[in-house]
This record gives sequence, structure tokens and C-alpha cells, in this order.
Amino acid sequence: AAGVIQSPRHLIKEKRETATLKCYPIPRHDTVYWYQQGPGQDPQFLISFYEKMQSDKGSIPDRFSAQQFSDYHSELNMSSLELGDSALYFCASSARTDSSPLHFGNGTRLTVT
Amino acid sequence: GDSVTQMEGPVTLSEEAFLTINCTYTATGYPSLFWYVQYPGEGLQLLLKATKADDKGSNKGFEATYRKETTSFHLEKGSVQVSDSAVYFCALTGGFSGTYKYIFGTGTRLKVLA
Repeated sequence: AAGVIQSPRHLIKEKRETATLKCYPIPRHDTVYWYQQGPGQDPQFLISFYEKMQSDKGSIPDRFSAQQFSDYHSELNMSSLELGDSALYFCASSARTDSSPLHFGNGTRLTVT
Repeated sequence: GDSVTQMEGPVTLSEEAFLTINCTYTATGYPSLFWYVQYPGEGLQLLLKATKADDKGSNKGFEATYRKETTSFHLEKGSVQVSDSAVYFCALTGGFSGTYKYIFGTGTRLKVLA
């Protein structure tokens, strides 16, 4: 079965650079979520989209932005990168029902040097 | 607001021991409940789910029963293996309030020794 695809798998950037992470949800899933997981920490919710509109916002820094496109894929844009942005970034998708589970991608590991 | 509380880890067990990871929740309405597992360097994988009271979710020898009277969804396995070593997350979602948020617990690290 198709899963959530994230790219790139690994990314190394320097401070103050920008990064773009991509997420391709499971076909027919209309909702996308982004999470950040620091080393040894739990995933923190950043932002979510439903039908290309932002549906909820968590602890996403102002330096980050995201959008969902007409084909339902999503991109997380990160600017003015800081050392503390080094983390695993997960995308997850679901069908918008009360009981639908989240399906996670394998994440993008971002290292800021 | 809605919340999920898990027992703190790490939990260290010998192979073939019985596992219980406690999870309790607070939610308005009738949430759906999930257990996720995360292996090192990987994303969270759905382990099992239950969508209404008294439902039992099960997968790979793991079980959890949706107990509305105690607002609990404890994860159990009769005989753990070294390969079960991972971090386990309890989570809920509920559309009663009109949102589709997923609330996660803080994760419980399980280490199984041979």
C-alpha cells in the first residue's frame, strides 16, 4: 500500500540558510500534518492543512511557512535556519473523519551547522 | 482541553515478560484512540486503534481496550521480544468539538533485554 512520502530524507544546511521539505500524502487523504521531533523528544505539532487551507496551527516559528497544493502535496519552508532547528520533521496524512488514524512518513532529518 | 497521559519510561523488561503501558485520556465527546510505535530513526507507525467504548484494538500480539468508564486505553502484550524495543505513543482524535486535532502522549520508551 502507498505510504506517505517525504523528501529529502536527509538535509544539511548552514545557519541562516533556507530549506524546503516536501510531503506527498497517501492518495485520497485530504489532510496533512507537520511535526517536529528534536533529539530524544516527542513530536511537536507544527501545522496542518485540509483541502489546501490551513486548518490548525501549533508551535510553528514565524520563520517557517507551509502550504498544501492542488495535488495535496505539502511543503514546509524554513528560513533563517538556527542550530535549534536541527530535528526530524515528520509529515502525516489522514482522511478527514472522526476515526481516521494518522499515517506518518519516515521523516526528513535536518541538520543545521 | 483534550489531553493524553502516559506512564513515564523507560520501561525495561526481560524477554517473554508481560507488558503494560498505561494511558489515560481527557476528552470531550467520543474520541478515537490509537497506539503508535516509533523505532529508532523512523516515523511513527500505527500499532492499533479503537473507535468506541469497549472496542479492543489488537495487532502483532499487542492489545488495548477502550474503557470509557476509566478513560483509559492501556497497551498490553503477553510476551515481549527484543524487537519490541521502541517508543510507544498513545494518541486520540475526536471530531465532536469540530476539530481534527491529534493529541499525543509524551511517549514511553520500552527496552527489552535478551
